[in-house]
Amino acid sequence: DQQVKQNSPSLSVQEGRISILNCDYTNSMFDYFLWYKKYPAEGPTFLISISSIKDKNEDGRFTVFLNKSAKHLSLHIVPSQPGDSAVYFCAASGGGGSQGNLIFGKGTKLSVKP
Amino acid sequence: ETGVTQTPRHLVMGMTNKKSLKCEQHLGHNAMYWYKQSAKKPLELMFVYSLEERVENNSVPSRFSPECPNSSHLFLHLHTLQPEDSALYLCASSQDLGTGINYGYTFGSGTRLTVV
Repeated sequence: DQQVKQNSPSLSVQEGRISILNCDYTNSMFDYFLWYKKYPAEGPTFLISISSIKDKNEDGRFTVFLNKSAKHLSLHIVPSQPGDSAVYFCAASGGGGSQGNLIFGKGTKLSVKP
Repeated sequence: ETGVTQTPRHLVMGMTNKKSLKCEQHLGHNAMYWYKQSAKKPLELMFVYSLEERVENNSVPSRFSPECPNSSHLFLHLHTLQPEDSALYLCASSQDLGTGINYGYTFGSGTRLTVV
């Protein structure tokens, strides 16, 4: 059973508006959460992370929010730009599993329309 | 260029073939990983190496055989694969195991493998 779930396979947003990408998890032992961005024909690139002891982390246009009671995190991109169009993966670590193991969601494809 | 280079980018192989995927990093990282991404599935960890020692083998079939001759190179040797092994194979590295799970990996662009 999936421990990290991204229930929206795709999202379309107008340029300049906010993009909100959601992620749910089931393992309360996860202690770090990460977001990756992937363009076609390229490997995923690390975007932003958050520790489970925090509820918000911000880096420029990207903000990740963590709601531990709901086992939910979200990535906000504002303002969205056409270059943000990519697949976004949520990942989690520290769930009592193997060393160095990140548990990934299936990804959400974001399309930002000009 | 991400700093992690994978070759080949694309590979088509028969079920009786033997081939190898190569990964190279010049970032001075001590941990390297193989991940598999099948269609419509999340990335799945296959193998973890730290300081050239294998620290994790996630119940991967023996037809996949990793090799880490030094801290800059990682190989995945393939033999007698099945069509369901067709996937994108991604290599990644991190400074150490701890920095990898907390601050992210550097991924290569992957090898798109098709088994016919």
